[in-house]
Amino acid sequence: GAVVSQHPSRVICKSGTSVKIECRSLDFQATTMFWYRQFPKQSLMLMATSNEGSKATYEQGVEKDKFLINHASLTLSTLTVTSAHPEDSSFYICSARARENYGYTFGSGTRLTVV
Amino acid sequence: EDQVTQSPEALRLQEGESSSLNCSYTVSGLRGLFWYRQDPGKGPEFLFTLYSAGEEKEKERLKATLTKKESFLHITAPKPEDSATYLCAVQENTGTASKLTFGTGTRLQVTL
Repeated sequence: GAVVSQHPSRVICKSGTSVKIECRSLDFQATTMFWYRQFPKQSLMLMATSNEGSKATYEQGVEKDKFLINHASLTLSTLTVTSAHPEDSSFYICSARARENYGYTFGSGTRLTVV
Repeated sequence: EDQVTQSPEALRLQEGESSSLNCSYTVSGLRGLFWYRQDPGKGPEFLFTLYSAGEEKEKERLKATLTKKESFLHITAPKPEDSATYLCAVQENTGTASKLTFGTGTRLQVTL
């Protein structure tokens, strides 16, 4: 079955630094990848959608200069949280899909803590 | 704007005590309704996709059903390992990127 690998699973960084999260589709080519943020006991909130080779489409209220998304290949997307602050601490989850009418496969998530 | 409401927020069952989780949705055109299971600190794990009213799907102790306004996830004779948060999501039938809109989930705890 489709597998999405997300790394790291946990990261702690200092306020003001940047951190990169990787999302890889291991056994399929992901034409579209999605990035979500989830706060405790809340649902997944879509941050942005990215198609391979194109600029990401950000949801309303998400700062594109703060959350940099790169989808340079059909198997890799990265989310970089720039100049992180404690309020950016959250659980970040990626999802990948091969093409329209295919299922959405989720990564295992990254717990980001900014101190 | 798509809306997805799940109830109850939390549910505690004894092993073997069957129950149902509800997902009510408002969408202009439904392309698909998804059920996922999420364990603490993990990403969602796919369970079912339903596409049209009247459709039903089963997997072990779980059965998902769909109407034009809501979906139910029936859990028959649950076991402690069924404890998790169950998420419902809808995909709208539009020409956009077909994103998923999630509900807030039902946290299920099954005790011995």
